[in-house]
Amino acid sequence: GIQVEQSPPDLILQEGANSTLRCNFSDSVNNLQWFHQNPWGQLINLFYIPSGTKQNGRLSATTVATERYSLLYISSSQTTDSGVYFCAVATGGFKTIFGAGTRLFVKA
Amino acid sequence: DAGVIQSPRHEVTEMGQEVTLRCKPISGHDYLFWYRQTMMRGLELLIYFNNNVPIDDSGMPEDRFSAKMPNASFSTLKIQPSEPRDSAVYFCASSGSSNYGYTFGSGTRLTVV
Repeated sequence: GIQVEQSPPDLILQEGANSTLRCNFSDSVNNLQWFHQNPWGQLINLFYIPSGTKQNGRLSATTVATERYSLLYISSSQTTDSGVYFCAVATGGFKTIFGAGTRLFVKA
Repeated sequence: DAGVIQSPRHEVTEMGQEVTLRCKPISGHDYLFWYRQTMMRGLELLIYFNNNVPIDDSGMPEDRFSAKMPNASFSTLKIQPSEPRDSAVYFCASSGSSNYGYTFGSGTRLTVV
């Protein structure tokens, strides 16, 4: 099956810093999403982005489907950005597979 | 919209007991997913439905697990009999055909002792 690799596995930032999270996948995808799991366990959908670029406030994402990777940019990080960021992909239909995540801690 | 609603939020049960987890998807969403999250295995897709019909249940770990969706507004995940290794957080999510982004419920934390 498809492999999803996220990097880095852990990241510590000072409040106000910028960061880039990466998701590599091993096959063509028809569905790619980014999620944030907050410290209380809630999973929030950030982007549905099988290709192209999207922006939402301080967050933006880019997927280059032909090269099989996606990037999530966080600018001017805040303590509330802490948590785990997951990339999730599907190669056909809706069988969506999650990566292991990037654990982010933003220090005040 | 109240979002995806799961119940109960927490469940503690003894090994061998039957456990039923419930999910109400967002109205109008025609896809429903059940995921399980553990430290060791991360987020795993167990089963998903389209228009109340199970499409892929290859992630259901064994015959002790079953899922149903009797109508568009309700789904259950049942474990019978439960075992300690079933302890995990179980998430339900829904999605619509016009926007494939998933909305997750708050999860049910299951502990089997």
